[in-house]
Amino acid sequence: DVKVTQSSRYLVKRTGEKVFLECVQDMDHENMFWYRQDPGLGLRLIYFSYDVKMKEKGDIPEGYSVSREKKERFSLILESASTNQTSMYLCASSGLDQPQHFGDGTRLSIL
Amino acid sequence: EDKVVQSPLSLVVHEGDTVTLNCSYEVTNFRSLLWYKQEKKAPTFLFMLTSSGIEKKSGRLSSILDKKELFSILNITATQTGDSAIYLCAGGFNKFYFGSGTKLNVKP
Repeated sequence: DVKVTQSSRYLVKRTGEKVFLECVQDMDHENMFWYRQDPGLGLRLIYFSYDVKMKEKGDIPEGYSVSREKKERFSLILESASTNQTSMYLCASSGLDQPQHFGDGTRLSIL
Repeated sequence: EDKVVQSPLSLVVHEGDTVTLNCSYEVTNFRSLLWYKQEKKAPTFLFMLTSSGIEKKSGRLSSILDKKELFSILNITATQTGDSAIYLCAGGFNKFYFGSGTKLNVKP
């Protein structure tokens, strides 16, 4: 079974802090993704990566950056957290032309 | 603009009913349509549809893709309370666009 592990289930941070969300997959997948999920808006893609050290912007990249130094790990960084970044964050991975498998999500609150 | 639209947004049925969930898409770089079930945590994968007109089945769930009319349906027969969840569809190729989901509530 594919295992996608996100480092925290719940996280509370303060406005202006730099926040790191970590995601690790154990299936040697090429593709990794970061989404945020908000009620009524579905899943919106923040960033994705097709390979190590490679990244592409999704639909809502503003205020976020990513890092992929190793194939199995994809990190999402909130450079200066703001209250409108309070959300559920979901990481996913997939092989080429394969369905995405999701982690359990991190519910992030910015106070 | 690429988009995926699901309908209805929410649905309440009773156990034993049959439901049909709809997903229409306009995605430039399209190869496959995915369906997921999301309960409290991560979306779990249900189906990946690539070919038009070929039904995929898993127990009481089935799904079909129409690439000419750009839509897919997910059918659930003899619904159970455990089917209560948000059902998500997504279209694309490696990068997928997700709909906002259909929230299904199955009452005893």
